[in-house]
Amino acid sequence: SQELEQSPQSLIVQEGKNLTINCTSSKTLYGLYWYKQKYGEGLIFLMMLQKGGEEKSHEKITAKLDEKKQQSSLHITASQPSHAGIYLCGAARRNAGNNRKLIWGLGTSLAVNP
Amino acid sequence: SQTIHQWPATLVQPVGSPLSLECTVEGTSNPNLYWYRQAAGRGLQLLFYSVGIGQISSEVPQNLSASRPQDRQFILSSKKLLLSDSGFYLCAWRPGSLNSPLHFGNGTRLTVT
Repeated sequence: SQELEQSPQSLIVQEGKNLTINCTSSKTLYGLYWYKQKYGEGLIFLMMLQKGGEEKSHEKITAKLDEKKQQSSLHITASQPSHAGIYLCGAARRNAGNNRKLIWGLGTSLAVNP
Repeated sequence: SQTIHQWPATLVQPVGSPLSLECTVEGTSNPNLYWYRQAAGRGLQLLFYSVGIGQISSEVPQNLSASRPQDRQFILSSKKLLLSDSGFYLCAWRPGSLNSPLHFGNGTRLTVT
């Protein structure tokens, strides 16, 4: 099973609507990263959250980190076609050697209909 | 500002042929460098990472190898490609601080025929 679960897997919304994507971890989060990817392109860094309760915004995208719930949510307000793409979350983990490594969710595919 | 270049963007290679994908970073020194593979429905899989010249760590055993001949150059190679090597390959970098986010290149779509 995935250490990072993203929900929903895919989402289709009407332009102007708000939406939320969730990223839930099965283990303690040491840092949470959100990225956006257009099909066939690289990942674009959106935001990094490190502390429980932390909230960051970038234009109409807001991300929050709930450390107790081991979950982060990405909220888009008044969605636009330019928001379409795949949203991925990544989280920092400590491996057996106490080294940090990044693990990734499978992504949420977002389509915004004009 | 820092930029990352990855090439080629697309590649079609026959089974058994060699592979060389190159990635370079500009505007920074001593970056941590990464090669990922992204397969549909399987997310991002870390293949190799490097914290310095000549220092390569492999995450999974496979048909691929990586090298870092210069500080800001990272190369992914194979002597003989397999069909299962097809996928989308992404190079990424970040500063030495482990709290910094990764920055990705535009990726290479590899199709092995």
